[in-house]
Amino acid sequence: DIQMTQSPSTLSASVGDRVTITCRASQSISSLLAWYQQKPGKAPKLLIYKASSLESGVPSRFSGSGSGTEFTLTISSLQPDDFATYYCQQYNSYSLTFGGGTKVEIK
Amino acid sequence: EVHLLESGGGSVQPGGSLRLSCAASKFTFSSSAMSWVRQAPGKGLEWVSGSSASGGGTYYADSVKGRFTISRDNSKNTLYLQMNSLRAEDTAVYYCAREGGYSEYFQHWGQGTLVTVSS
Repeated sequence: DIQMTQSPSTLSASVGDRVTITCRASQSISSLLAWYQQKPGKAPKLLIYKASSLESGVPSRFSGSGSGTEFTLTISSLQPDDFATYYCQQYNSYSLTFGGGTKVEIK
Repeated sequence: EVHLLESGGGSVQPGGSLRLSCAASKFTFSSSAMSWVRQAPGKGLEWVSGSSASGGGTYYADSVKGRFTISRDNSKNTLYLQMNSLRAEDTAVYYCAREGGYSEYFQHWGQGTLVTVSS
């Protein structure tokens, strides 16, 4: 199975900060990567698919980049609603796998 | 708006069985690949099983292979997960998710149903 490693596991930031989360795959997954946001007690929400395609309705301050084995999710200006946990997921091959998550906390 | 509603969760003893259902509405279920994803308490997300739109293709995580069976009834717009030989480590919230386009990312999610395996 392809292993997905996210860093950092926790990130403390302030409103207005630029935030970057990294996801690394144990082997090349082309651009077959998605990013999700999850808030406590809620289902995950799709933000980005195909590494850099923004899901409809997602604010443009979210962006994704990368290909192969290294990917990033960037929030250009952190808003109060963005404090949550973020997960990457590869869909290059079964078993589909998620990263361990990055919790974005208020500094 | 796409709606996915899971049901069937609850408490069960180790070795027991449970069947989860996911009722889908507001989209063409018979054209959509679907998956089950779980989240143990305080932990991250784990893909469990997936089904092609027709149900002819099914896929499983190694952790559940041979114990869980995914199925669907396209006439009832419902996805199922039959879980047998349950273990304590299967305790989790189980989400039903609709895959996006023709790719295996998860565009829509249900609210989840909690399965607790404990003696």
